[in-house]
Amino acid sequence: ETGVTQSPTHLIKTRGQQVTLRCSSQSGHNTVSWYQQALGQGPQFIFQYYREEENGRGNFPPRFSGLQFPNYSSELNVNALELDDSALYLCASSSPSYYGYTFGSGTRLTVV
Amino acid sequence: AQSVTQLGSHVSVSEGALVLLRCNYSSSVPPYLFWYVQYPNQGLQLLLKYTSAATLVKGINGFEAEFKKSETSFHLTKPSAHMSDAAEYFCAVSDKTGANNLFFGTGTRLTVIP
Repeated sequence: ETGVTQSPTHLIKTRGQQVTLRCSSQSGHNTVSWYQQALGQGPQFIFQYYREEENGRGNFPPRFSGLQFPNYSSELNVNALELDDSALYLCASSSPSYYGYTFGSGTRLTVV
Repeated sequence: AQSVTQLGSHVSVSEGALVLLRCNYSSSVPPYLFWYVQYPNQGLQLLLKYTSAATLVKGINGFEAEFKKSETSFHLTKPSAHMSDAAEYFCAVSDKTGANNLFFGTGTRLTVIP
């Protein structure tokens, strides 16, 4: 059974640029959530995708957007990057039969 | 609204001593509660979860937590600390509605002194 994999592991972008982060969910999991973890903080919920539709969103602006594909993998897109977007971005997958989330190792985004 | 408060951003214990990490929750509905551990430069690993079954929950690596509704607490304990337990620990509560997303505390960094 494969876990959640995220790519890339590290990324450096310039303010104003756009970035795409990728996530492959654990086998058998059809729900993917994204979290932002700023340095020294707990993760904060960005949004969740279920069956390719957004199924809930946290307090993040529209420049944070996402996609889920038929194989349940997912992308997080962030437009017009700001310095405060620098954080660890975590992807988590789940399924109706498993209450809880399996997290990936994250993508460390640095905006300069 | 759901939230958790972790008392103590840093906790230090001696190797072999009791580990106690505190978590209090606020929830408008009976909660689902979780403890996750995060090692440096890694993602989150689930230690244990409470989903309204037994109030004493046993997890991995010898950790356990007790759900106490009257105290709105879900403290994490381990009888004897090991050097490998040094990490950041996060308590989280689920809203159990819609996206069932997790609300995390700010974390407690555990240091184990040899």
